[in-house]
Amino acid sequence: EAQVTQNPRYLITVTGKKLTVTCSQNMNHEYMSWYRQDPGLGLRQIYYSMNVEVTDKGDVPEGYKVSRKEKRNFPLILESPSPNQTSLYFCASSPTSGGAYEQYFGPGTRLTVT
Amino acid sequence: AQKITQTQPGMFVQEKEAVTLDCTYDTSDQSYGLFWYKQPSSGEMIFLIYQGSYDEQNATEGRYSLNFQKARKSANLVISASQLGDSAMYFCAIYLYTGGFKTIFGAGTRLFVKA
Repeated sequence: EAQVTQNPRYLITVTGKKLTVTCSQNMNHEYMSWYRQDPGLGLRQIYYSMNVEVTDKGDVPEGYKVSRKEKRNFPLILESPSPNQTSLYFCASSPTSGGAYEQYFGPGTRLTVT
Repeated sequence: AQKITQTQPGMFVQEKEAVTLDCTYDTSDQSYGLFWYKQPSSGEMIFLIYQGSYDEQNATEGRYSLNFQKARKSANLVISASQLGDSAMYFCAIYLYTGGFKTIFGAGTRLFVKA
C-alpha cells in the first residue's frame, strides 16, 4: 500500500530532551516536507526537501533540523525541544517538486513538550 | 510576503445544499498551484482538488469544483449536494515555484453539515 508513515504517533517529552520523529514514504517521491498544525494557524511548513541531500527552510524552521540521506526517509529532529513546539506534526510527500501534484500526508505525530 | 486567507472560521450548510468556502491568496508570482485539502475529525489530510495558475478552466473533481478568479486572487471551493460526511476542516494552500518550492496553508474553515 502506498503510504507515508510517521513514528511515533504520540510523544510526551520534557524540555531539552532531544527527539527525532521519523517519516518514510514508499512511493519513490522526490519531494518531502514537514508541517506543524496549531489551532487557528492552519499548517505551517517547517522544512522541505526537493531530493536527496537537498533541503530548505519553510516558514517556521527555528528549533528544528532535518536530513535527507535517502529518498524514502525524512526525519525531523528537535535538538532541544521547548513547550512552544507542542503541536501536531505532519510529514508529506509528492512525486516531484514540480508542484502539479498533491501532497500525500502521513497520519500525524502529536507532540507534547512539558 | 505570500499568504493565504480563509475568512470563514466556521460554516453551516444544510444537507444536499451547495456551499462555497472562500480562499484568497496574495503572491506576486505568476506561476503557482492552488490546492484544497479536507481534514475530518479523525485527523488525516485528504487531497480534494488542484488548480494551476495557468489553467484557463476551473478544476472539477466529482462534487468539488474550484472557482478560480485569477485577477481577484481567489480560489473558492464549491461543494455541491453536501453530505453529512463533508463535515470537516477544509484548508486552502498555495504552492509557489519561485524562491524555493514552498507550500503555504490558510487557517482553515470548519464546515458543519446539518441533517
